[in-house]
Amino acid sequence: SQKIEQNSEALNIQEGKTATLTCNYTNYSPAYLQWYRQDPGRGPVFLLLIRENEKEKRKERLKVTFDTTLKQSLFHITASQPADSATYLCAPIGGYQKVTFGIGTKLQVIP
Amino acid sequence: DAGVTQSPTHLIKTRGQQVTLRCSPKSGHDTVSWYQQALGQGPQFIFQYYEEEERQRGNFPDRFSGHQFPNYSSELNVNALLLGDSALYLCASSLVGTSGLYEQYFGPGTRLTVT
Repeated sequence: SQKIEQNSEALNIQEGKTATLTCNYTNYSPAYLQWYRQDPGRGPVFLLLIRENEKEKRKERLKVTFDTTLKQSLFHITASQPADSATYLCAPIGGYQKVTFGIGTKLQVIP
Repeated sequence: DAGVTQSPTHLIKTRGQQVTLRCSPKSGHDTVSWYQQALGQGPQFIFQYYEEEERQRGNFPDRFSGHQFPNYSSELNVNALLLGDSALYLCASSLVGTSGLYEQYFGPGTRLTVT
């Protein structure tokens, strides 16, 4: 069955450093992969989408890579700020628009 | 421009009861998806509606049903509630046929507690 793995433990990082979050998937080949941010008690907020033929995508301080051979996506936040503290969800899209979310990684940026 | 709205924000029901949750999509969006998010888990896809039809469904029993209205708003119905149905129910809207198809806008969710 399809499986998505994200670091379920919290990631603590010092302000100003680069945070790197990992998403691994098995047993399917998504054509797209999305990353969302979710704050406690709120709905997820779309951040970035990367296609299978794109190796890397950037948006301001965010960068996403997508390695279909390794079945892995990496999500980077450069110059991290305390306001970046949240849970980040990986969401591969397989089949016809079927979005499957990972459990998320909780990022804590320490001032 | 109003984003996705959901009602109610919180709801407490008893086992065996039925519940209806409501969602209004972002202005201009025509597709609505529903997700269930248990505490500490990622959202789980329930189903998606487009043109008033259920287009795709996740691994949820028939107790979960939905509807989409001509104005694109949607309802999620859950019958014969179980304790395990306690969760945050999220509605997300998107627009078919554009590059933003997969960019979903989520509402704040409805927190359902079954006792």
